[in-house]
Amino acid sequence: AQSVTQPDIHITVSEGASLELRCNYSYGATPYLFWYVQSPGQGLQLLLKYFSGDTLVQGIKGFEAEFKRSQTSFNLRKPSVHWSDAAEYFCAVGTFQLSFGAGTTVTVRA
Amino acid sequence: DAGVIQSPRHEVTEMGQEVTLRCKPISGHDYLFWYRQTMMRGLELLIYFNNNVPIDDSGMPEDRFSAKMPNASFSTLKIQPSEPRDSAVYFCASSYRVTEDGYTFGSGTRLTVV
Repeated sequence: AQSVTQPDIHITVSEGASLELRCNYSYGATPYLFWYVQSPGQGLQLLLKYFSGDTLVQGIKGFEAEFKRSQTSFNLRKPSVHWSDAAEYFCAVGTFQLSFGAGTTVTVRA
Repeated sequence: DAGVIQSPRHEVTEMGQEVTLRCKPISGHDYLFWYRQTMMRGLELLIYFNNNVPIDDSGMPEDRFSAKMPNASFSTLKIQPSEPRDSAVYFCASSYRVTEDGYTFGSGTRLTVV
């Protein structure tokens, strides 16, 4: 069975500070991993994905994520957060059927 | 490309009424997914199609829910009769190569059953 755990329900970060969102997965084979972002009232937008190769992947909006097989983790990072990064972030795993984590809400304070 | 288009954006209906949600996937995408999002259960996969054929509907909560995809450019999710516990945001997503590209989501339909 596949599943995703996002341990942090809510994170508050100051504008300009770094951000790291945690994601742990459970999957029976080589995982396909994704991070999505959802702004209020909107659908989910793909930030980045990993399925093979370099374990550090770059995405849109200055985000990156690192796949660590030994830790079954796929944490999302951004070096300097902008106010527009306030949103809910979802980690997902799977092949044709994606399982999503519960999400982490990010609040950015001025 | 206009992206995945869902209609209506908002739907308020009375308990017992039939509700139909609509989705137009991105042209060329041969996978279509219906998800439901609630505070309590998060994002749940209800059903997905490949080349207009339902592949897995094990997430459909009960017989009151049904989904169809009569052609490559249109899908519906129907709830009959609707109940207050069906209140949620329903997302449609489409994909060409799921494992490489992930999904493209629509903006969702917020359903409220009173």
